[in-house]
Amino acid sequence: DGGITQSPKYLFRKEGQNVTLSCEQNLNHDAMYWYRQDPGQGLRLIYYSQIVNDFQKGDIAEGYSVSREKKESFPLTVTSAQKNPTAFYLCASTLGQGFSDTQYFGPGTRLTVL
Amino acid sequence: AQKITQTQPGMFVQEKEAVTLDCTYDTSDPSYGLFWYKQPSSGEMIFLIYQGSYDQQNATEGRYSLNFQKARKSANLVISASQLGDSAMYFCAMREPTRMDSSYKLIFGSGTRLLVRP
Repeated sequence: DGGITQSPKYLFRKEGQNVTLSCEQNLNHDAMYWYRQDPGQGLRLIYYSQIVNDFQKGDIAEGYSVSREKKESFPLTVTSAQKNPTAFYLCASTLGQGFSDTQYFGPGTRLTVL
Repeated sequence: AQKITQTQPGMFVQEKEAVTLDCTYDTSDPSYGLFWYKQPSSGEMIFLIYQGSYDQQNATEGRYSLNFQKARKSANLVISASQLGDSAMYFCAMREPTRMDSSYKLIFGSGTRLLVRP
């Protein structure tokens, strides 16, 4: 079955530590995205990538970094510079880059800073 | 300014009845896509239905239909014959150009929590 996987499902981090969230897709989609969701709110775009070895900042990129070395993988690192990292993180992908392309989501990673 | 507005933080509906979830949007671009997603308590975002800005007819997918009124910039989701499993958060989203490159990004509303009563 094609889909998007994220790991881990739950992640706990001590203050001052960097952590990396995994996102893998086998849909052969070109574009991938990372979103952050805070309780009771909608999703906000952190980073996106249209092709391998290229990525762009979204609306709330500060304190985050990404890489896109393979088409299937788009890991997100939450650095110690992110002031309030506790949130639900969702990865998504689209086949193309048109306005009609549907974004499909992974199951998410819930990050808690202790 | 809010690009996507969902004015109903929470709604109740009786099982087997229909319910309408409101969504208004704001854009000056002629090309855009409107999407509805369902988010159950597990957290995963499930795609429900899509409506393109150039589509002449309202989109339908099973029990879901989209009441698209372009002049009023509204894209309300209608769920017919509600089921207990429909209880979830529902998000309206719009795909519009990023202004930085040739790509589009998805902008989300704040969501509506729907509770279906037995």
